[in-house]
Amino acid sequence: QKEVEQNSGPLSVPEGAIASLNCTYSDRGSQSFFWYRQYSGKSPELIMSIYSNGDKEDGRFTAQLNKASQYVSLLIRDSQPSDSATYLCAGNNAGNMLTFGGGTRLMVKP
Amino acid sequence: NAGVTQTPKFQVLKTGQSMTLQCAQDMNHNSMYWYRQDPGMGLRLIYYSASEGTTDKGEVPNGYNVSRLNKREFSLRLESAAPSQTSVYFCASSEGVFIRPLHFGNGTRLTVT
Repeated sequence: QKEVEQNSGPLSVPEGAIASLNCTYSDRGSQSFFWYRQYSGKSPELIMSIYSNGDKEDGRFTAQLNKASQYVSLLIRDSQPSDSATYLCAGNNAGNMLTFGGGTRLMVKP
Repeated sequence: NAGVTQTPKFQVLKTGQSMTLQCAQDMNHNSMYWYRQDPGMGLRLIYYSASEGTTDKGEVPNGYNVSRLNKREFSLRLESAAPSQTSVYFCASSEGVFIRPLHFGNGTRLTVT
């Protein structure tokens, strides 16, 4: 079992809708979580980082962390076709190494 | 600022050949990493260097060696390439080991035949 799990998708949403991406993790000691966006053939780029319970907003993006339930989510408001990409969730594990989920492919249809 | 620079971008090797992937960062980061990315497997950590002078194994270190040449440079060596090492390799750096966001290079696409 991977330490960070994501639904591979694809998740398809219409333009202008809210896209909700979810991630669960197994190590209760994990403290740092990150969401990366990766376009096909490109390298991952940081979207959000979150370290404490609750919500963190940055423009159209909101990251949510619930340590009791061991999940992290990313909401993308007013989704645009340019948001179509694979979204990677990452968290640090018991050995303090950062591990990545397999990614969720998001498709935003015009 | 160039950020994290990897060379080469593409490489084809025959089984048993060796090569070194180069990585340099200009962000004055202490920590550097090498990940590989395979379809369906996500990003997996090969080796990392928390600070200049130290290196540690990650999740999938077998078949690889690394050298932290100085604070800027962290290289990955394949001594005897195998088809199972066909992958996309990413170098990354961060301010603090694993607790701060990683900044990735553009990747090296390696094919071993």
